[in-house]
Amino acid sequence: EVQLVQSGAEVKKPGESLKISCKASGYSFTSHWIGWVRQMPGKGLEWMGSIYPGDSDTRYSPSFQGQVTFSTDKSISTAYLQWSSLKASDTAIYYCAKFDYLHASYMDVWGKGTTVTVSS
Amino acid sequence: SYVLTQPPSVSVAPGQTARITCGGDNIGRKAVHWYQQKPGQAPVLVVYDDSDRPSGIPERFSGSNSGNTATLTISRVEAGDEADYYCQVLNSTSDHRYVFGTGTKVSVL
Repeated sequence: EVQLVQSGAEVKKPGESLKISCKASGYSFTSHWIGWVRQMPGKGLEWMGSIYPGDSDTRYSPSFQGQVTFSTDKSISTAYLQWSSLKASDTAIYYCAKFDYLHASYMDVWGKGTTVTVSS
Repeated sequence: SYVLTQPPSVSVAPGQTARITCGGDNIGRKAVHWYQQKPGQAPVLVVYDDSDRPSGIPERFSGSNSGNTATLTISRVEAGDEADYYCQVLNSTSDHRYVFGTGTKVSVL
């Protein structure tokens, strides 16, 4: 079974750093792009960017460029999303999702999401 | 930037048909994908490449795409179909730029 298991909820203070994870199983991790999607409270889905674990090719949405960093560890089939200095406006649910193999056009498997709360 | 516009809400009686539109400039030239998100859950892909269904998705879910509008149709609506629905396209193949629609809340009366 193809699965993406995300790390647990986090509560942080503004200015703190954070790294959340997304562990893949059931498919070839290095052959599919992984995307990250933000959902702010009560709002819609926003594509943050994507990373290709095979060669670490990374694409960021202009809205998130410079605000977050994506990475992967192929040895443990895990993708990461990190912040160096959180803001209250980073409070949201963050989903990782696997893209289809052929064209990386749609996200066919999603993690359950990691809730990040940033509050002083 | 490319914008996908959906109606905020659609209401439908059980057993009837719900149609959710997704408007975008020449969207008919792009492959459109649809996700269902129930409260407190992650999104689930229900239609990809305009009209294909992943395994496990009922035939009641279908899609079409032409001109400036893509449509997700849910036939014989059930109470369990109540959810938010989002369309999505790959806007730029070179930059891997993806866009989601604004989302539509489907309420089953």
